Amino acid sequence: GQQLNQSPQSMFIQEGEDVSMNCTSSSIFNTWLWYKQDPGEGPVLLIALYKAGELTSNGRLTAQFGITRKDSFLNISASIPSDVGIYFCAGLQRGVSGGSNYKLTFGKGTLLTVNP
Amino acid sequence: ETGVTQTPRHLVMGMTNKKSLKCEQHLGHNAMYWYKQSAKKPLELMFVYNFKEQTENNSVPSRFSPECPNSSHLFLHLHTLQPEDSALYLCASSQVDRGVHGYTFGSGTRLTVV
Repeated sequence: GQQLNQSPQSMFIQEGEDVSMNCTSSSIFNTWLWYKQDPGEGPVLLIALYKAGELTSNGRLTAQFGITRKDSFLNISASIPSDVGIYFCAGLQRGVSGGSNYKLTFGKGTLLTVNP
Repeated sequence: ETGVTQTPRHLVMGMTNKKSLKCEQHLGHNAMYWYKQSAKKPLELMFVYNFKEQTENNSVPSRFSPECPNSSHLFLHLHTLQPEDSALYLCASSQVDRGVHGYTFGSGTRLTVV
């Protein structure tokens, strides 16, 4: 099946620093999504990207949908302690049976630690 | 209640027990999903239900049995599980007939099989 290569696996940064993480794939996706998961909770959607080349911001977060539709990056500016968590990229594409059947494939996640 | 609600939040069961996980969504979505999250592994899709019909079963062992009685409720029935089945089980929902949108996840059930 499709695989998403997410890097880095983990990051340790100081409060105030900027962060960048990315995902690549050998497959083309229709949509790229970035989620954050806090300990003991489910993933929460941060940003959704629908068009190749699209650059979208959500507060201190910025994400881009690669031109080739096979990659995406997420930047966090001026990190704060509550940014701690696991960040997942996910690619969405139509399932084999088509129609309304879509499949979401997740990367392994980037564990972010922010030191105050 | 809003969003996607999963119960119980934590579950410890023996290998011979039978238990069920429950998921309820209050978003009016028409698709629901079960995911398994194990340490150091990507989220693994287990089952997909579109309009209450199962459209995907990702080679999941028969000791996991899903049930979707209506578009708002999803169950995962568990029996004779193995210790390696211990994981966080996440339910998600989405709306698939009005364009493509991200999934909304519940908080998960932390399952421990002893």
